[in-house]
Amino acid sequence: ETGVTQTPRHLVMGMTNKKSLKCEQHLGHNAMYWYKQSAKKPLELMFVYSLEERVENNSVPSRFSPECPNSSHLFLHLHTLQPEDSALYLCASSRAYDKANYGYTFGSGTRLTVV
Amino acid sequence: DQQVKQNSPSLSVQEGRISILNCDYTNSMFDYFLWYKKYPAEGPTFLISISSIKDKNEDGRFTVFLNKSAKHLSLHIVPSQPGDSAVYFCAASALGGGNKLTFGTGTQLKVEL
Repeated sequence: ETGVTQTPRHLVMGMTNKKSLKCEQHLGHNAMYWYKQSAKKPLELMFVYSLEERVENNSVPSRFSPECPNSSHLFLHLHTLQPEDSALYLCASSRAYDKANYGYTFGSGTRLTVV
Repeated sequence: DQQVKQNSPSLSVQEGRISILNCDYTNSMFDYFLWYKKYPAEGPTFLISISSIKDKNEDGRFTVFLNKSAKHLSLHIVPSQPGDSAVYFCAASALGGGNKLTFGTGTQLKVEL
């Protein structure tokens, strides 16, 4: 399968649960990203991995924990979330991180609801 | 502080007419700009981009204009088609800032028959 695949598509979790979001790309890209989209807000960059090394961590609370075991996979581990963390979580990849003119390929997102 | 602004949350246009979506930015270090299109239940998809060394880039029915002095860009779609109905995001990246995109809040375009 080509493109960027995110699972699950929808997730409902309690505030005491632990869950993980998964992202997979088969494009041969070297950079992967997590973005958060809340209602009526712009997409907010959370984390960036370049060649499996985290290069950006945008003041994200520690209840969000990313993991990039290889260049094709990216995870976002979630624990003790708050209702305000409910949002669409988008994964993206790009050919590289060092140049600013590589566009992103996005996944379809995981719609997260924290109850 | 929002560095990329799309002040019109929605736009309605008749089929066949021109759609003009606007975007303003505040960071003078931005040097590459992109437009993404998003349908419901799908991720954003790349539409068109422009480098700061240009003031216009065209791809079929889509044209992006950049006015650096005004820190303004616009996306023109002509002629508009019902399949163009989607949310359009403006994004920008900064020189030396890596491939890190800053997005606007999006404009919902509705093309009516």
